[in-house]
Parts: sequence; C-alpha cells; structure tokens
Amino acid sequence: GAVVSQHPSWVICKSGTSVKIECRSLDFQATTMFWYRQFPKQSLMLMATSNEGSKATYEQGVEKDKFLINHASLTLSTLTVTSAHPEDSSFYICSAGPTGTYEQYFGPGTRLTVT
Amino acid sequence: AQTVTQSQPEMSVQEAETVTLSCTYDTSENNYYLFWYKQPPSRQMILVIRQEAYKQQNATENRFSVNFQKAAKSFSLKISDSQLGDTAMYFCAFTLYGGSQGNLIFGKGTKLSVKP
Repeated sequence: GAVVSQHPSWVICKSGTSVKIECRSLDFQATTMFWYRQFPKQSLMLMATSNEGSKATYEQGVEKDKFLINHASLTLSTLTVTSAHPEDSSFYICSAGPTGTYEQYFGPGTRLTVT
Repeated sequence: AQTVTQSQPEMSVQEAETVTLSCTYDTSENNYYLFWYKQPPSRQMILVIRQEAYKQQNATENRFSVNFQKAAKSFSLKISDSQLGDTAMYFCAFTLYGGSQGNLIFGKGTKLSVKP
C-alpha cells in the first residue's frame, strides 16, 4: 500500500513552453501533498505544499507564478512549470501521506530538461 | 527553525558488515518525528525507518535500527549485515508533530557504498 505515482517520468521541452507534472496517490487519500526539487548530488528542497481545495503554500524564494500548483482532488496534485527556461531543468519529486499520519511516500520523480 | 545535519558525505562498508550513519538535528520543539529515507540510483525515495520523539525505545526494521538520543538531538542509523542493494544515498529527515502534515526537512545526505 501507500503508492504515489508521478507522470511523466521524463520530459524534454523547449524554452518558453509550459510543462505539467502529475502526482497521484493510488491507494489512499491525501489532503496535503508536497513538491520538491532535487539538483544533482544534492538533497531535496521543498518547493511548496499543495492543499486540496485551497491555494498552495510556497517556500521562500519559489516563484508561485512560475510553478503553478493545483490540488483538485484528494488523490491528484499537479505542478505546472510555466514559461520554462534551462535553469528550471531539474528533478522534481512529489510526496504524499495518508491523511492523519506523518509518513510521507514519494513519487518516482520527474526529470525535466529544458532546451 | 529546524535543521538537520548529516556530517558524513560519503561512507563505504564491506558486504555483510555493519555501518552507522550519523544525523543530528536542531529544534526547540518537543514533539516531532524523525525518518531515514534511502534513495538508490533509480532516485526513488524509500522510507527506511521512522521514530516518534515521544517513544524512548529505538525503532528497528529488520537489518535497520536507530540510536535515538533525544537530549543530544542525535538520530543515527545502523545497517547490519550490509547488502549490495543497500548502496544508495541516505537522507535523515525531520517533521514537527502538529505542523504542516508531512513537511519534511532533510539533511544533505550520506552516500553509502557497499563493496563486495
């Protein structure tokens, strides 16, 4: 149990275009999901907290207009990278945990390459 | 603000031996959770073990165990009978009880190599 999926696993896009990444909890409901960014050989950096039915909470320094988050249901959160630039190239990971617990289960990640 | 420190960027161990990864954290809060996550080359984050701060007994999961020293704010991971599949990055993580559910603060990680 406690499986989180992410789609796509790898995406290449051209500079200036937008890319949507989906995060789904497959066998549990999650009122809160989290989006992280991971640079090569570094730790995970929390970008934002996605709250079902309300606005996301962004960490300091994260541009909310560039990284749009939507949490439309208890099993789905999406991250849209708008007007992507090469510096947005990174590994993006989502996490979620069953409501009422403090455990987090991670998606397999999405490698974004902006050319 | 809470911080998590892993002072060992890299470690190596021979197969079948035991290795301990260090983690210290800083918080003024009393109720929290601590975790160890493993990230193999596939980059999938895998929960290895968790510890509730209010529990004095150290958590164990098969070959994995922790040494939780609350007063010292230390949370080390011991891997017994190391296996080649244990080769991975290991991240120590912290979350407050009652805070934003699941908001994890990670250390910088320790790269563990298990040698045959």
